[in-house]
Amino acid sequence: ELKVEQNPLFLSMQEGKNYTIYCNYSTTSDRLYWYRQDPGKSLESLFVLLSNGAVKQEGRLMASLDTKARLSTLHITAAVHDLSATYFCAVEWGETSGSRLTFGEGTQLTVNP
Amino acid sequence: ETGVTQSPTHLIKTRGQQVTLRCSSQSGHNTVSWYQQALGQGPQFIFQYYREEENGRGNFPPRFSGLQFPNYSSELNVNALELDDSALYLCASSLDGYLWEQYFGPGTRLTVT
Repeated sequence: ELKVEQNPLFLSMQEGKNYTIYCNYSTTSDRLYWYRQDPGKSLESLFVLLSNGAVKQEGRLMASLDTKARLSTLHITAAVHDLSATYFCAVEWGETSGSRLTFGEGTQLTVNP
Repeated sequence: ETGVTQSPTHLIKTRGQQVTLRCSSQSGHNTVSWYQQALGQGPQFIFQYYREEENGRGNFPPRFSGLQFPNYSSELNVNALELDDSALYLCASSLDGYLWEQYFGPGTRLTVT
């Protein structure tokens, strides 16, 4: 059974600071996704990482994937309050036509002024 | 806006009752996946439908069932509701199961009392 572990689960940081969220998974996969979720809302896609060494950046967020280490990171640069949300990584597995996502528990990020 | 809609938005049911949740996929998408997200947890895969056939199932009992219609709208049915079924139910549509182009709906919040 595929396991996806995120850490930390809770992160409180000050505006302007940098931090990294880690996502480890237990089986081979070349595809990893990062989502953002605001309270009571659905999932917003942030990044799709489709191969080893993939790096994507959008604004203050940068995601990377190391499939050999089974590790993805989401790096936050100079955090702002608007980034406060819960962040999930999800690993794709299964056959092409029956693929599904296994999600981590989520990292609840609070950015304080 | 992703083009994926779900109804109803919120629903309150009593233990033992049955419920039907509905999802309208983005135009042209022939694959729909359903996820259950309990409070404070990551989404869990329930099942996937591809061209009206079940195409993969997670660790959910048979009282969770689904349908996908020729117009690619879909339903999630849950019989004999239990308190633990209280959750946010998300559907996500894609073309041919390509999850890197999958879009999530806004979700249905189900409360079982």
